[in-house]
Amino acid sequence: AQSVTQLDSQVPVFEEAPVELRCNYSSSVSVYLFWYVQYPNQGLQLLLKYLSGSTLVKGINGFEAEFNKSQTSFHLRKPSVHISDTAEYFCAVSGGGTSYGKLTFGQGTILTVHP
Amino acid sequence: EAGVAQSPRYKIIEKRQSVAFWCNPISGHATLYWYQQILGQGPKLLIQFQNNGVVDDSQLPKDRFSAERLKGVDSTLKIQPAKLEDSAVYLCASSSGQHNSPLHFGNGTRLTVT
Repeated sequence: AQSVTQLDSQVPVFEEAPVELRCNYSSSVSVYLFWYVQYPNQGLQLLLKYLSGSTLVKGINGFEAEFNKSQTSFHLRKPSVHISDTAEYFCAVSGGGTSYGKLTFGQGTILTVHP
Repeated sequence: EAGVAQSPRYKIIEKRQSVAFWCNPISGHATLYWYQQILGQGPKLLIQFQNNGVVDDSQLPKDRFSAERLKGVDSTLKIQPAKLEDSAVYLCASSSGQHNSPLHFGNGTRLTVT
């Protein structure tokens, strides 16, 4: 069984400040890791994913995440946020093969960027 | 390319009524998923289709929920009878089905059961 814990339900931050959204996972098998963003009344948009290789993954909109196997973490970071980054962010995990699209999501972190 | 289309966007029904949601995936996408997102929670997988066959419906409450994808393209998700706890956003997603292909999500249908 897999599970995902997002350690912060809400993160307020000022514009142009750095931000980190924390995610821990548990799984008995090798996993693939994802971060999705959800704007109000919209579906989920993929920010980035870790499948294998380099543990530092770069995504869209200037976001990046680092896979840490020993700490079972996959934290999302951005060095300087914009007002438009205000949204809810979900960390997710899946297995490989036919399980690739069977995502297990965390509870979500609401990022609010203040001017 | 056109994205995943879902309808209706919003639906309000009374408990014990029935409701159906429709999803049109991206053209050519073989794999289709339905997720349930309850307010304040992350989405939870209900069912996965590969073409017109069910791959995994282990988390679908089969006493009241049903889903089909008869021609391997569009899909419908039905709830009968609805309960208050079914209030949620129902998200449809599709992928090409190729190795590690990304999921594309629709905007969802927001269901309110009163």
